[in-house]
Amino acid sequence: DTAVSQTPKYLVTQMGNDKSIKCEQNLGHDTMYWYKQDSKKFLKIMFSYNNKELIINETVPNRFSPKSPDKAHLNLHINSLELGDSAVYFCASSQDTASLRETQYFGPGTRLLVL
Amino acid sequence: AQSVSQHNHHVILSEAASLELGCNYSYGGTVNLFWYVQYPGQHLQLLLKYFSGDPLVKGIKGFEAEFIKSKFSFNLRKPSVQWSDTAEYFCAVEGPSRASKIIFGSGTRLSIRP
Repeated sequence: DTAVSQTPKYLVTQMGNDKSIKCEQNLGHDTMYWYKQDSKKFLKIMFSYNNKELIINETVPNRFSPKSPDKAHLNLHINSLELGDSAVYFCASSQDTASLRETQYFGPGTRLLVL
Repeated sequence: AQSVSQHNHHVILSEAASLELGCNYSYGGTVNLFWYVQYPGQHLQLLLKYFSGDPLVKGIKGFEAEFIKSKFSFNLRKPSVQWSDTAEYFCAVEGPSRASKIIFGSGTRLSIRP
């Protein structure tokens, strides 16, 4: 059983297209995240949601829009894809109390290549 | 500014050698500290974490790390590496509250010669 799953695993698309990446966790966690890992392996947080509420929104182009239909899912929609969006996108989840955060568990990543 | 520095970008060792990967951070107040590992083509997995208590933390696969508050460091160690330890290692730091964001270092690539 995969704790944090992402689909698709690989995504190759043309510039200007709109695409979505899905993330699901079956750990019962209430907080989910999206990270971007660039070609130099640098990992940076993009968004975090807690119980469908946006908590962290880093300086990310508004072409990126997260959607959380329920606390087990956090999807990432990207409009008008650009070459610089090529990266590996990781979803993660954690179980947080009102004031404390616990360990994050990461998904397998989605390798996005924009041509 | 909050940051994490991993000074070793690429470390090459022979099997059975001892390992120490450096991690220094800049973050005001109480911190949680992590080491994650990313094997080739795989996702990040937690190696170990420090939230509070004993500053010497033991993780999976024989890894350990020591939190030295006065030096703002959280170095990762393993007494004898194996070829299967070849991977990218990331140090990370975050504040304890839900609103704080986790900051990752740039990673250290570890290559083990069989």
